[in-house]
Amino acid sequence: GAGVSQSPRYKVAKRGQDVALRCDPISGHVSLFWYQQALGQGPEFLTYFQNEAQLDKSGLPSDRFFAERPEGSVSTLKIQRTQQEDSAVYLCASSSSGGTYGYTFGSGTRLTVV
Amino acid sequence: AQKVTQAQTEISVVEKEDVTLDCVYETRDTTYYLFWYKQPPSGELVFLIRRNSFDEQNEISGRYSWNFQKSTSSFNFTITASQVVDSAVYFCALSAREGDNDMRFGAGTRLTVKP
Repeated sequence: GAGVSQSPRYKVAKRGQDVALRCDPISGHVSLFWYQQALGQGPEFLTYFQNEAQLDKSGLPSDRFFAERPEGSVSTLKIQRTQQEDSAVYLCASSSSGGTYGYTFGSGTRLTVV
Repeated sequence: AQKVTQAQTEISVVEKEDVTLDCVYETRDTTYYLFWYKQPPSGELVFLIRRNSFDEQNEISGRYSWNFQKSTSSFNFTITASQVVDSAVYFCALSAREGDNDMRFGAGTRLTVKP
C-alpha cells in the first residue's frame, strides 16, 4: 500500500482482556518497528523485525506483550491481560533499510484500558 | 546512553512569526543520526529530515531550516513565517550506529500557530 496502515484506529478494552493490534507495512519494506506513545510523551521503542525475524524485543515492557510477523509483511502486537498502564497509542513504522534513513509511521492505534 | 531533550513543552506563536524548536542530544557514539518528525492531530509521525553526525552543514527546505552544532550537541529546527498548518507536535530523535534499531525520541514540542 501507499502508507503504513494500522487497525483498529481505536480500541477500548476492559482490564484483563486480551487485545491484538494489526500493522500493514509499506509493501516491500523489510524492517518493521513497534513503538508505544504515552500521552504527552515521545514514542518508546518496543520491538523490531527484519522480515519475519524478531531481532530486538528489548523494549517490550512485560511478558504480556507479544509481537509476530510470520510472513514478513503484516505484523500483530498482542497484549494479554491488559492493565490500565497499557493505555497508550501504539505506533507501527516500516523502513526499507535498518531505520537510520527514517521510518514511515502509521497513524497508530489508541488503546484505552478501563 | 542515548538521550534526547526537548526543553520546550509548548510554544504558541502568531502566524508569520519565526519559531525555533530546540533539541539537545547525548550519545557516546561518534557515528549517529538525528531526525525531526512532525505529528499532526491525525496522529501519524511525518519524517522531516535526517542528519548524520559527519555532516554539520545546515539545511534549508522551503520555510524549514535546521542548525546542527556538534559543539553544543544541538540540532535545532526553525520554521520561518509560520502558518496555521504548522501546528503539530514536533519530535527530535537520535539513532546511533548504522543499523541501530532503537531510535530514541525526545518528549516533543507542541507548536500552536494562531491566525
